[in-house]
Amino acid sequence: KQEVTQIPAALSVPEGENLVLNCSFTDSAIYNLQWFRQDPGKGLTSLLLIQSSQREQTSGRLNASLDKSSGRSTLYIAASQPGDSATYLCAVAGSNYQLIWGAGTKLIIKP
Amino acid sequence: EADIYQTPRYLVIGTGKKITLECSQTMGHDKMYWYQQDPGMELHLIHYSYGVNSTEKGDLSSESTVSRIRTEHFPLTLESARPSHTSQYLCASSAGQGATRETQYFGPGTRLLVL
Repeated sequence: KQEVTQIPAALSVPEGENLVLNCSFTDSAIYNLQWFRQDPGKGLTSLLLIQSSQREQTSGRLNASLDKSSGRSTLYIAASQPGDSATYLCAVAGSNYQLIWGAGTKLIIKP
Repeated sequence: EADIYQTPRYLVIGTGKKITLECSQTMGHDKMYWYQQDPGMELHLIHYSYGVNSTEKGDLSSESTVSRIRTEHFPLTLESARPSHTSQYLCASSAGQGATRETQYFGPGTRLLVL
């Protein structure tokens, strides 16, 4: 059974720092890995999707990597800003379109 | 910008009441999902639908039921609410882009408190 783990559970860094969030999964038979952002009182927003055949995806200051063989993904955020404060969730997709989720990393960027 | 709506946003209700959480999307997506999320925890899939008149239970056992009579509408019903149902309920939808490329679009969620 697929399990997704995110470390750390919470992270607080000063504005301007580069940071890395980690996601690991137990079954490498995935179709894609996705990173979402969740803001309080709002739903989830898709940030990046890495297909199983890809190694990384980039969007602006965000870069996500995928290593299927080791069951790991990282989300790199460059030059962090207070507006990046949110909970970041990792999810992996199987062939049935269903997502298995991690518990998230709560990120606080201090001005 | 995805257009998926949930009502109510917040609901406080007494034990034993029947409630329906509404979810609608205007994107014409064939797939829709209901998740339950407790604070600081992962999302758990409780129901999903791959089209009209198609509904399935997810991995998390739930006493709720769903229906999919119209493409855009996917309501969730609790016949008799209990305090254990207190949680956040998130609705999502996705389009047919294939398993490798398909992402989900989420509504703002309904926070339910059962007293």
